[in-house]
Amino acid sequence: NAGVTQTPKFQVLKTGQSMTLQCAQDMNHNSMYWYRQDPGMGLRLIYYSASEGTTDKGEVPNGYNVSRLNKREFSLRLESAAPSQTSVYFCASRTKPGVQPQHFGDGTRLSIL
Amino acid sequence: AQTVTQSQPEMSVQEAETVTLSCTYDTSESDYYLFWYKQPPSRQMILVIRQEAYKQQNATENRFSVNFQKAAKSFSLKISDSQLGDAAMYFCAYNTQGAQKLVFGQGTRLTINP
Repeated sequence: NAGVTQTPKFQVLKTGQSMTLQCAQDMNHNSMYWYRQDPGMGLRLIYYSASEGTTDKGEVPNGYNVSRLNKREFSLRLESAAPSQTSVYFCASRTKPGVQPQHFGDGTRLSIL
Repeated sequence: AQTVTQSQPEMSVQEAETVTLSCTYDTSESDYYLFWYKQPPSRQMILVIRQEAYKQQNATENRFSVNFQKAAKSFSLKISDSQLGDAAMYFCAYNTQGAQKLVFGQGTRLTINP
C-alpha cells in the first residue's frame, strides 16, 4: 500500500532556482493538498485541489504554483526559490472534505541557500 | 477564522504512565471534526484518533482516548500506559464539516522517559 508518495525526499537549492515537488496518491482520493511545516508553527496549507481540474489557494500561497495533472498527481512548483521557502513540504489527500481524515506523504525537506 | 491552540510545547512522561495533551480551538461552526496526528522522528504524519463534534461519546483507540468538551472547545488526548514508541510531536487539528482546510495547532513534543 503506497498511499501518498512524494518525491524527492530531500533537496537543496540555490536562491533563484526553480523546482517541482511531485506527489501521487493511489487511493482514488478526490482532494489533494500541499502544506509546509516550519518549526513551532505546525502545518500551513499552501494550495489544494478539491477535484481533478481545480486548484485553490490556501493560507500561504505566495511564491508557489500547483498543477493537478490528473486525479492521482498534484505537483508544487517554486519558480524562483527564496531562503524563506526553506521548510518541510507535505502532500496529503482524502476522499471527502471534513469527514474523512487526510492521508499524508512522508514529506520533502527543502533547503534554499 | 478557526484557530487551534496547543499550549504545551513540550511534555514528558515516564514509561507505562499516563499523559494528557491539551488542545483548545475556536470556531463558530456547529458541525466539525477534530483530529490528533502523531509525527515521529521519521516525519510521517500518522492519524491517531478523530472525533465528530455531533457525537457526545469520547473517541477511543486502544491506549489513546480523548476528552471532548464541546462547550469549552477543548479536545485533549490521553495516552495510557505510555510506550517508548509514543515519543513524537503530536498535532491537534480541526476541520469544519465539508470544508477543505485542515487547521493545525503548533504541536506538542512528547518525550517518554524509560
